[in-house]
Amino acid sequence: KNQVEQSPQSLIILEGKNCTLQCNYTVSPFSNLRWYKQDTGRGPVSLTIMTFSENTKSNGRYTATLDADTKQSSLHITASQLSDSASYICVVSADNAGNMLTFGGGTRLMVKP
Amino acid sequence: DAEITQSPRHKITETGRQVTLACHQTWNHNNMFWYRQDLGHGLRLIHYSYGVQDTNKGEVSDGYSVSRSNTEDLPLTLESAASSQTSVYFCASSDLALAGLNEQFFGPGTRLTVL
Repeated sequence: KNQVEQSPQSLIILEGKNCTLQCNYTVSPFSNLRWYKQDTGRGPVSLTIMTFSENTKSNGRYTATLDADTKQSSLHITASQLSDSASYICVVSADNAGNMLTFGGGTRLMVKP
Repeated sequence: DAEITQSPRHKITETGRQVTLACHQTWNHNNMFWYRQDLGHGLRLIHYSYGVQDTNKGEVSDGYSVSRSNTEDLPLTLESAASSQTSVYFCASSDLALAGLNEQFFGPGTRLTVL
């Protein structure tokens, strides 16, 4: 069964600090991996999408890495801001069209002043 | 601006009632999806459609149905609501873009409570 596991489940950091969120997956075949940000009471919004040939991709202060050999990904947030408080969801696509997605349970990040 | 909307945003209903959740997108996307999000689980796919008159079952389709009569709308119907269907429901859409890189755009969600 395809699975995506994320750690930690929740995290509290101080504003301005960096943090790294982890994602392990057992999805086969593998097409691409996405990180989404979900604010409370809203739908997920895409941060990055990476194919197996990409090992890093940045979107502003967000940098995602992918190791397709170990089936691990991480999302690094630099110089955190209060607005980064949200759930971050790792999502893996097994199909080439990118329609069949397996979602992780998310990491809930709280940034405190 | 193009967008995807869901209504209602909150709904409380009773066990056994039929409930329909609306999803409307103005991107003219071919693909539309319904997911549910529960504590302790990632989003799980309920039904999806790749175009008008096309519907397919997802991972957790029992007790749900959809119909696609036009490009913009994919309503989700709970035939006889059960307490186990209390959840937050998200609609999403995507287009036939670069293979493997279709981005799904999500609506704001509907919180459904079945008493």
